[in-house]
Amino acid sequence: KAGVTQTPRYLIKTRGQQVTLSCSPISGHRSVSWYQQTPGQGLQFLFEYFSETQRNKGNFPGRFSGRQFSNSRSEMNVSTLELGDSALYLCASFPGQGASYEQYFGPGTRLTVT
Amino acid sequence: QQPVQSPQAVILREGEDAVINCSSSKALYSVHWYRQKHGEAPVFLMILLKGGEQKGHEKISASFNEKKQQSSLYLTASQLSYSGTYFCGTEPSNAGGTSYGKLTFGQGTILTVHP
Repeated sequence: KAGVTQTPRYLIKTRGQQVTLSCSPISGHRSVSWYQQTPGQGLQFLFEYFSETQRNKGNFPGRFSGRQFSNSRSEMNVSTLELGDSALYLCASFPGQGASYEQYFGPGTRLTVT
Repeated sequence: QQPVQSPQAVILREGEDAVINCSSSKALYSVHWYRQKHGEAPVFLMILLKGGEQKGHEKISASFNEKKQQSSLYLTASQLSYSGTYFCGTEPSNAGGTSYGKLTFGQGTILTVHP
């Protein structure tokens, strides 16, 4: 099976701009979680989508949003970028139902805000 | 609340053993362990569920003390490839039988294995 893919891999944006990141889960997985990773804060949960519905949300401002499409692909959007948004954004996929399943992470999108 | 991992860093020679601990103040449903190498995505190692079920790689072992909300990852006969940062991720017990994908990660343990 192909793994989780994320595009783009690298992105440089300017403060105030907005950005959209994409994640394609493993085939058959219906759940996608998003995480932000920074040296200072570590890995932090952003939100999780299952069957096009957001089931869970972390403690991030409303500038961070996401959505999921019927094919389980997910996008996250960050509006009005701030310097502190520079981070590695990881998505992870798993089946989404039943007992706890391991999450498989994509390679991440490295976002730099200048 | 973020689980606490210990030690923060450990240095080994090939063939030596190590234990990484993860402790939570919340009642847990599951503990997940991942390894991340520099510039790469976290890679799944192990899940330990409340009730005793475990899923993971054959060469990795771990324990989950439900009463103490603690988990330990055991790395035996370490190899150079074991180097990386190890994270535990926890799911609270109110997750019940369905995972909602929200893992709270510890700050990581940096493991370095030298020849």
